Amino acid sequence: GENVEQHPSTLSVQEGDSAVIKCTYSDSASNYFPWYKQELGKRPQLIIDIRSNVGEKKDQRIAVTLNKTAKHFSLHITETQPEDSAVYFCAASKSGGSNYKLTFGKGTLLTVNP
Amino acid sequence: DTEVTQTPKHLVMGMTNKKSLKCEQHMGHRAMYWYKQKAKKPPELMFVYSYEKLSINESVPSRFSPECPNSSLLNLHLHALQPEDSALYLCASSPLALAGAQETQYFGPGTRLLVL
Repeated sequence: GENVEQHPSTLSVQEGDSAVIKCTYSDSASNYFPWYKQELGKRPQLIIDIRSNVGEKKDQRIAVTLNKTAKHFSLHITETQPEDSAVYFCAASKSGGSNYKLTFGKGTLLTVNP
Repeated sequence: DTEVTQTPKHLVMGMTNKKSLKCEQHMGHRAMYWYKQKAKKPPELMFVYSYEKLSINESVPSRFSPECPNSSLLNLHLHALQPEDSALYLCASSPLALAGAQETQYFGPGTRLLVL
């Protein structure tokens, strides 16, 4: 089955700096890669996703890049703010049949210091 | 309505109790999911329903029994749980608008369960 590795497990940055979280996946058939943000005591919320036919996607301060050959994808947050502090999970899945399973990375605790 | 809702928010139960968790969505989504999340861990998939039929059971113990009465509702019946089942139980849904295509899953706020 799919295996998703996520690094780093914790990341501390100063407000205004950039933050990068990296994930690698094992199943070359995976073609959908969402990123979820989970604040303490809250639900996971989708912040951005990318499909395998696209190499990069950007939404304001958040961007995701995908390298299919190397089987890795990354989340980039620019101009970080204290409200960006949360746990971030990457995930991977593949389409087809009844395969709705998201395989999550272990998460990255991002702390943005004011 | 663009949210997945879950009740109750918190639940404390003894090992001999029977309780149910409820999940509801009115987005017309046809896939619904139950996840279990332990502290500082990612969500773990338990069950998937597509078009009100159980399509995935991730080898979950029989003390957890899912039910999908209709396309908007998903229940999780709990019986004879163990203390290690204490966790945040998350419901999610996705549209199933594109046959065979993976789609965004939208999560509910969860039920925080404590088994004594």
